[in-house]
Amino acid sequence: AQKITQTQPGMFVQEKEAVTLDCTYDTSDQSYGLFWYKQPSSGEMIFLIYQGSYDEQNATEGRYSLNFQKARKSANLVISASQLGDSAMYFCAMRGSSNTGKLIFGQGTTLQVKP
Amino acid sequence: EADIYQTPRYLVIGTGKKITLECSQTMGHDKMYWYQQDPGMELHLIHYSYGVNSTEKGDLSSESTVSRIRTEHFPLTLESARPSHTSQYLCASSPAGAPKNIQYFGAGTRLSVL
Repeated sequence: AQKITQTQPGMFVQEKEAVTLDCTYDTSDQSYGLFWYKQPSSGEMIFLIYQGSYDEQNATEGRYSLNFQKARKSANLVISASQLGDSAMYFCAMRGSSNTGKLIFGQGTTLQVKP
Repeated sequence: EADIYQTPRYLVIGTGKKITLECSQTMGHDKMYWYQQDPGMELHLIHYSYGVNSTEKGDLSSESTVSRIRTEHFPLTLESARPSHTSQYLCASSPAGAPKNIQYFGAGTRLSVL
């Protein structure tokens, strides 16, 4: 069975500093994808970054980077130069090798950026 | 940017009413999904569709039903709403065959059943 674990229910970071949100996963699939989504208080889910299991380099998208450690089964999100607008809930998710494309989500981490 | 729309954004309704949550996307995506999310919790898949006339139940059992008569439209129906159905419902879509299979979400419908 596939599982995503986010062990940090809440995090605080000072504006302009970097923050790392943890995510570990469990799967027996050889091919899988890992995703991070941001959910502001308004409720929508915003796609941030994707890492494929066969990608050798860590994914980066602007201020977001994914620290992918395959042997440790971790896919931590790093947000550099935090902004007040980064305050939100962040979800790590995994897609397995089945054709459904469905995602398994972690419990989420609430990030608050302090001015 | 994703073009996927959900209506209504908020719905307060009495027990026993029939409701339909609308979801439409203009990206021509074959795959569509419905997730249920309680406040501050993770999302759980309740329905998905590979394409027109294809619907499947997800991991979380739900009393809702879905239909997929047109590619762009994937409505979710509750025949008789109950307070236990109070939750947020998120619709998503993704293109078939794409290696990343990124799911793009609508803004969600927050349902409250009194």
